[in-house]
Amino acid sequence: DTGVSQNPRHKITKRGQNVTFRCDPISEHNRLYWYRQTLGQGPEFLTYFQNEAQLEKSRLLSDRFSAERPKGSFSTLEIQRTEQGDSAMYLCASSSLFEQYFGPGTRLTVT
Amino acid sequence: QKEVEQNSGPLSVPEGAIASLNCTYSDRGSQSFFWYRQYSGKSPELIMSIYSNGDKEDGRFTAQLNKASQYVSLLIRDSQPSDSATYLCAGPNSGGSNYKLTFGKGTLLTVNP
Repeated sequence: DTGVSQNPRHKITKRGQNVTFRCDPISEHNRLYWYRQTLGQGPEFLTYFQNEAQLEKSRLLSDRFSAERPKGSFSTLEIQRTEQGDSAMYLCASSSLFEQYFGPGTRLTVT
Repeated sequence: QKEVEQNSGPLSVPEGAIASLNCTYSDRGSQSFFWYRQYSGKSPELIMSIYSNGDKEDGRFTAQLNKASQYVSLLIRDSQPSDSATYLCAGPNSGGSNYKLTFGKGTLLTVNP
């Protein structure tokens, strides 16, 4: 059994560049979530998919952020025109019902 | 704004002692709560979930939920140095499908050998 996987694990980019992260959920889980975590804070909800449908987006998710989950399998999170304030750990989680299991995260550093 | 708040910490206990971690929440409709453990530089790991009033025990861990007081706690018995981590309390928003989690800021626990 493999857990949630995320790639890349680390990403360093220059301000203004676009980045894309990938999340592969636990195979039998139909719910997938993206969170963002900064130092000293708990994870903050960004968006949620049930199967391929994106059912909610946080106000934290500005128009520079977009997420997809084609065919209800893996998901991608894209950030366009990155800003230094986007530097954070981006966490993906999946669940079948209420218990969410996190992947290892992608640490983004915007220079 | 639905909130989850954790006692400020950090918390330091000697090896073998009981560590008590606490959390309060504002959403009276919340039906379930989760405790995650997060080691430095790692992602959160689910260690306990609780869905009803009372206590739930799993090995050295006991979660307690008191809906009337809007209070949830985690007790770690016989604390070990390997328990040193940040512990995050999380609850889903009530209504709808109870899917997204609101997290507290976490409590840093250090267990001293």
